[in-house]
This record gives sequence, structure tokens and C-alpha cells, in this order.
Amino acid sequence: AQSVTQPDIHITVSEGASLELRCNYSYGATPYLFWYVQSPGQGLQLLLKYFSGDTLVQGIKGFEAEFKRSQSSFNLRKPSVHWSDAAEYFCAVGPASFISSGSARQLTFGSGTQLTVLP
Amino acid sequence: ETGVTQTPRHLVMGMTNKKSLKCEQHLGHNAMYWYKQSAKKPLELMFVYNFKEQTENNSVPSRFSPECPNSSHLFLHLHTLQPEDSALYLCASSQGQGMNTEAFFGQGTRLTVV
Repeated sequence: AQSVTQPDIHITVSEGASLELRCNYSYGATPYLFWYVQSPGQGLQLLLKYFSGDTLVQGIKGFEAEFKRSQSSFNLRKPSVHWSDAAEYFCAVGPASFISSGSARQLTFGSGTQLTVLP
Repeated sequence: ETGVTQTPRHLVMGMTNKKSLKCEQHLGHNAMYWYKQSAKKPLELMFVYNFKEQTENNSVPSRFSPECPNSSHLFLHLHTLQPEDSALYLCASSQGQGMNTEAFFGQGTRLTVV
């Protein structure tokens, strides 16, 4: 069974500081990996995704993530955090192949990391 | 705006009430999902529909009843809920086929059961 672990429940950083949010996954085959962000009262917005190819992926809002197969990790980074980045961040993993043609992709989410940004 | 619209945004209902949540997408996606997001817990996948057919029911109690009349609309019918069912219910859609797909989420319905 696939699983996602986000070991940090809450992270606080100062505005302008760098950020790294950790994500570890467990999956028996090649995973598809995602980072979503959720602002208060809002749904989830996709930040970036990894399917294959370059292990360093760029996303929206200046975020990037690096896939490290040997460590089963997909950590999210940003060089300089802005106050508007305060939100909850979710890592998710999905299957790399469909069971049968036309199967819906299902995601397993981590429990989230709440980011607080200090002025 | 992700292209997935959920109504209502907020809902308060008694344990004996019957209500429905609605989700609508016009992205041309063929798969739709219901997720439950409770405080301090990971998102829980509840139901999956692909081409209007239910392909997944993750042991959800029968007081939650999904309906997918077409690929663009998804409902979650609620009856005799419990206070622990209070949560944010998120709808998502994706293109079921193809390798580079992702789920697009609605803003959710904040449900409070009193």
C-alpha cells in the first residue's frame, strides 16, 4: 500500500528565509508525486508535480521540489519565503500506471505541514 | 479558480436532516472524487467515479451516498449524519487517461453537524 509521511506538522520561518518541507513516501513502483497548497478556507491548489525525467521540478510561486529515489523523498523548497506563503502544504503520491485502461488516478495524501511566516 | 465548483461553501445540518453537496466541473475530465478532510488527519478518499461509474468506495458509511449523473457533476447525499462527520468535503476531478494528469480540487464544503 502506498503512504506519505510529512514529519513536520508545523514549521515557522521568518519572511525572506529559505524553506524546506519534508515528504517521504512508500510505494512499490514508480510513483507520481505532487505538492499541493491549501490556504485557509480554500481547496487545494497544485504547486508542482513529478512524473519522470529531471528530478528537480519547478512549480508555481517560486517553489521547487527534488525527487530522490534512494531516499524515497520529495522535499519542497523555496529560497525566500513571502508572507503570502503561509498555508498548509500537502504532499501526495499516486500510481504510475493504471490498473486498466481508463482507471481513475487516486492520490494518497500526507497529513500536511502548516507553515507560519513571521514578519 | 481551478474549474471545479462546489456548493454550498458552508453547511450546518442537524443529525436528522437530509442535504446534498454538489460538485461541478467543465474541464472535460472523466474522473471525479470526493475527499474528506478532518482536522489533524490526512485527506481521506471517499469515492471515485470514472466515466460516471463508481470505481472506489473506501468503506464509507451508508449515510453518505454519492451520485454521478454525468461526467461533469457529482453529488454527495447526506442523511442522519453524526457530529464526527463534521469536516471539509473536497471534490476533485482529473483526466483519467494519459500519463501527465493531476487532480484539480474545488474549494470544498465546510460541513458542521449539530
